[in-house]
Amino acid sequence: AQKVTQAQTEISVVEKEDVTLDCVYETRDTTYYLFWYKQPPSGELVFLIRRNSFDEQNEISGRYSWNFQKSTSSFNFTITASQVVDSAVYFCALSERYGNKLVFGAGTILRVKS
Amino acid sequence: DTAVSQTPKYLVTQMGNDKSIKCEQNLGHDTMYWYKQDSKKFLKIMFSYNNKELIINETVPNRFSPKSPDKAHLNLHINSLELGDSAVYFCASSQDSPGTSPYNEQFFGPGTRLTVL
Repeated sequence: AQKVTQAQTEISVVEKEDVTLDCVYETRDTTYYLFWYKQPPSGELVFLIRRNSFDEQNEISGRYSWNFQKSTSSFNFTITASQVVDSAVYFCALSERYGNKLVFGAGTILRVKS
Repeated sequence: DTAVSQTPKYLVTQMGNDKSIKCEQNLGHDTMYWYKQDSKKFLKIMFSYNNKELIINETVPNRFSPKSPDKAHLNLHINSLELGDSAVYFCASSQDSPGTSPYNEQFFGPGTRLTVL
């Protein structure tokens, strides 16, 4: 069975600090896909990144970066120089091959204070 | 143009009533989904449809009945509403098809906040 654990329920930082959101997953499948979504206070779900299981290259997009480590079943998300607009709930999600569904972690609430 | 739209955005109703939530996507995707987000923000899939055919039903009470008149629409009808049905319901779509790798990201609608009194 697939499972996603986001152990950090809530994180508070001051603007310009770097922050890492942890995600640990479980799956028996050898082919799977990992995602991060952002849910700002307005409530919509915004896609941030997709990573497949055979591509362990880390990715950087502006202030966002992702560290995928199969050896530890982790897919962590780092925001560099955080801004107040980064305040949101961040969800990590997993989809197995042929699964056709996203299994979400419980989410991490990120509060960035000015 | 809104990619995935849902109506209504807010729905307040009494216990025992029947209500529907509509979802439409203009992305040309083959697969659509309904997710429920509870008060603790936990997101869980309810249903998935591909080209009007049900492919996932995640042990949802049969008071919930999805209907897909065409591949661009997936509506959710709920009978005999209960207090525990209060949640935010999200519709989503993706280009994936069953039996193929679910590589593509899912695009979510804005959500419908259902409150049962």
